[in-house]
Amino acid sequence: DANTTQPTSMDCAEGRAANLPCNHSTISGNEYVYWYRQIHSQGPQYIIHGLKNNETNEMASLIITEDRKSSTLILPHATLRDTAVYYCISPGGKLVFGAGTILRVKS
Amino acid sequence: EPEVTQTPSHQVTQMGQEVILRCVPISNHLYFYWYRQILGQKVEFLVSFYNNEISEKSEIFDDQFSVERPDGSNFTLKIRSTKLEDSAMYFCASSVSTSGLRGQYFGPGTRLLVL
Repeated sequence: DANTTQPTSMDCAEGRAANLPCNHSTISGNEYVYWYRQIHSQGPQYIIHGLKNNETNEMASLIITEDRKSSTLILPHATLRDTAVYYCISPGGKLVFGAGTILRVKS
Repeated sequence: EPEVTQTPSHQVTQMGQEVILRCVPISNHLYFYWYRQILGQKVEFLVSFYNNEISEKSEIFDDQFSVERPDGSNFTLKIRSTKLEDSAMYFCASSVSTSGLRGQYFGPGTRLLVL
């Protein structure tokens, strides 16, 4: 089973920020947190990963709490194409996918 | 932008037949993986491969499965004698390094249907 806990689903208005939380309270000190997403019928897509510091790339931002027990993936301006299942995974290597969060972006 | 490719996109086979699923990882990647996703279920890890050998495999990856990197560019998954329950989407992935430094990049998948 996955070592992370995510809400089952979330809705977000198009153009607004989508904030997807993840709990990973059992994470070890040197284990990274990875975020992937899977758009319907496609392969999983790597989004971002981090260890301690907040990270940002062209797709998203990742905010990790100081105690590293939780993190939030932020899609700053969600579009309809961001509708997908989002997975928070730790550690890397052999990826263990949980059920993820179904994000529905609505116009 | 480089991407992982997989062939065929769809494969239909009879139970008991052998199938080979093919993948071309991103060229500078060193770690290769196979995952599968049965319809409506979670993505499941099958096997990881590095330096021409299996580095880790799951319980699903039994003696009916094998992987190979025959020519330095292709990465294949062979199912020797397919069963009905092997019907799934099979994803290949590759990464520059293993956990900690980079993400895994997935191909579009091969949909396998065993009749």
